[in-house]
Amino acid sequence: EVQLLESGGGLVQPGGSLRLSCAASGFTLSTYAMSWVRQAPGRGLEWVSAIGSSTYYADSVKGRFTISRDNSKNTMYLQMNSLRAEDTAVYYCAGGSTYSLEDYWGQGTLVTVSS
Amino acid sequence: QSVVTQPPSASGTPGQRVTISCSGSNSNIRSNYVYWFQQLPGTAPKLVIYRNDQRPSGVPDRFSGSKSGTSASLAISGLRSEDEADYYCAAWDDSLRGWVFGGGTKLTVL
Repeated sequence: EVQLLESGGGLVQPGGSLRLSCAASGFTLSTYAMSWVRQAPGRGLEWVSAIGSSTYYADSVKGRFTISRDNSKNTMYLQMNSLRAEDTAVYYCAGGSTYSLEDYWGQGTLVTVSS
Repeated sequence: QSVVTQPPSASGTPGQRVTISCSGSNSNIRSNYVYWFQQLPGTAPKLVIYRNDQRPSGVPDRFSGSKSGTSASLAISGLRSEDEADYYCAAWDDSLRGWVFGGGTKLTVL
């Protein structure tokens, strides 16, 4: 069964760091384009970052977040540094064989940035 | 302010046909595929239309998508109560080098 499972969310203080993981099963993540998408409480969807042959970032996270993947673990990561209150959101990972929003989505992991 | 704009709300009665619009620009909707997602409260987004007008397996043929120039639309015919949800459009933006989402449309089935 194809699945994306996010983990690593939690409560962190402003200025702190957190690393999210997105573990894939049922397909080879290294051959897919992958994205992180977030949704702040009561708000809409916001694309955060993508990885394929290159990496891409939304302006709101550029310089603070880093996307990567470990092919041996079939897992994608989002390293989040210098976290701000406005980064509070449910973070979803998504992947597609050609376009990163197209095939699979995870169930999300909640990140709360608060003192 | 979203780069891609949707009406904040839409509504219809059971059996009706409703459309949700998505307006963008040359760098996103005109140049790239449009995707539509349905999101029920407390759940992850679900893809209902991909590559402008393609339906994933399992999505009823009551859902259809179209694109013309810098705008796209999602149409739902034979409206049912279970269609009540938030709907988002998305496209890749060549200028921003990233995905852009519309602000979302809350569909109410009266």
